[in-house]
Order: sequence, then structure tokens, then C-alpha cells
Amino acid sequence: DTEVTQTPKHLVMGMTNKKSLKCEQHMGHRAMYWYKQKAKKPPELMFVYSYEKLSINESVPSRFSPECPNSSLLNLHLHALQPEDSALYLCASSQFLATEAFFGQGTRLTVV
Amino acid sequence: KQEVTQIPAALSVPEGENLVLNCSFTDSAIYNLQWFRQDPGKGLTSLLLIQSSQREQTSGRLNASLDKSSGRSTLYIAASQPGDSATYLCAVIRYTGTASKLTFGTGTRLQVTL
Repeated sequence: DTEVTQTPKHLVMGMTNKKSLKCEQHMGHRAMYWYKQKAKKPPELMFVYSYEKLSINESVPSRFSPECPNSSLLNLHLHALQPEDSALYLCASSQFLATEAFFGQGTRLTVV
Repeated sequence: KQEVTQIPAALSVPEGENLVLNCSFTDSAIYNLQWFRQDPGKGLTSLLLIQSSQREQTSGRLNASLDKSSGRSTLYIAASQPGDSATYLCAVIRYTGTASKLTFGTGTRLQVTL
């Protein structure tokens, strides 16, 4: 099973709302990632967690707050987003660092 | 800063043709390279991972090669089918010491026509 599950699939939120994106994998992977993808552009790295610790933050604005409660779960908490934050948010995991990465189907986020 | 470019940006071929997608990167200090396909509005599906010690990897009708010294990888698709229509992305994987980073190429949008 090489499945990474993301919920919700679609999310519409106002600029004053607080919402969370969820990502789950049961492959025993110890690295988990958040990527942001704008239309017709490649995915851009936001955060990397290694062994449940934040290893990379690509200078992401603080209105995005990642959390890794355990080795299977990765959350992305959203607060006071801007319309330009509308994008496809992708979660990925890999067994060890630098090995094959598996992606979820993404959450399509629209900020109104 | 790693720059990853894919050529061509878009490609339309008739069914049954063999085709080659190109990926070039500026920093050869990479660990591995991975090829993905992405259907419109969907997530990424892993196709092949080439480790830095390998020069080639095959899966079914797909064959990927890696030449780190020249900063190039190619994805060869044999006997293309309409179901192959998608955007193909290469990603170079670099290990930073505490984590690994995937840097994606600009993508090639492939359409296979009947």
C-alpha cells in the first residue's frame, strides 16, 4: 500500500477563518512534506518533517502552521489566509530521507 | 540555487509513437532523481526513482536515464497511448543532512492523440 490520504479534497475559506488540512500515511515513512502548487506551475516545498521534527521551513508565512502529532499524521493549520494562497496543497511521505516520495491527491484550497 | 528545466514544455504525438522527455538541472550534487505524472487537478503519481549510483531504471514501457555529470535525465515512453496524456514532472532530490528536498522541474504536458 503506497497511499497518502489527504482531507478534505476541497476547501473554501474566508480570510478570517481558521481551518486545517490533514494528511495520513500508514507506510511507516518517517519523512513527511507539504508542497504548494499554483496552476500550471510545479510544486514548491513548504515544510519537511523528519522523525516528527520540523527539519525544513522554506520561509513560509506564519499564517501557515504545520504540525506532526505522530509518525503517521501531518497537519497544516491555516489562519488569516490571503486570496493568493489559493492553490493545490500536496502532502508527501518517504521511507527514509532521499528515497522514493509518494504524494497524496491534494487539497484544492480557495480563499475568498 | 538548483534550477530544473524540462523540455519540451508541451508535446502532442499520435498514439503508438515512442517519445523522449528531457530534464536538466544546474547542480549535480543531487542524491536521486524521481519522475512523476500528474493528471489535471490531481496529485502526483510516482513513475520511477533513479538513485545516484544508477544510470538507468525501467518500469514497463518507461525507461529513465540519469547522467549526473552533465546534469541531465531523460524519460523514454515506448508505444505511447492516450492514457499516457498527463503532465510529467522530474524532481531532483538533495539530502541536506537533516532532511531531503525535492526540487521539481517545470513539467512537460503530453497529449497522445488517437
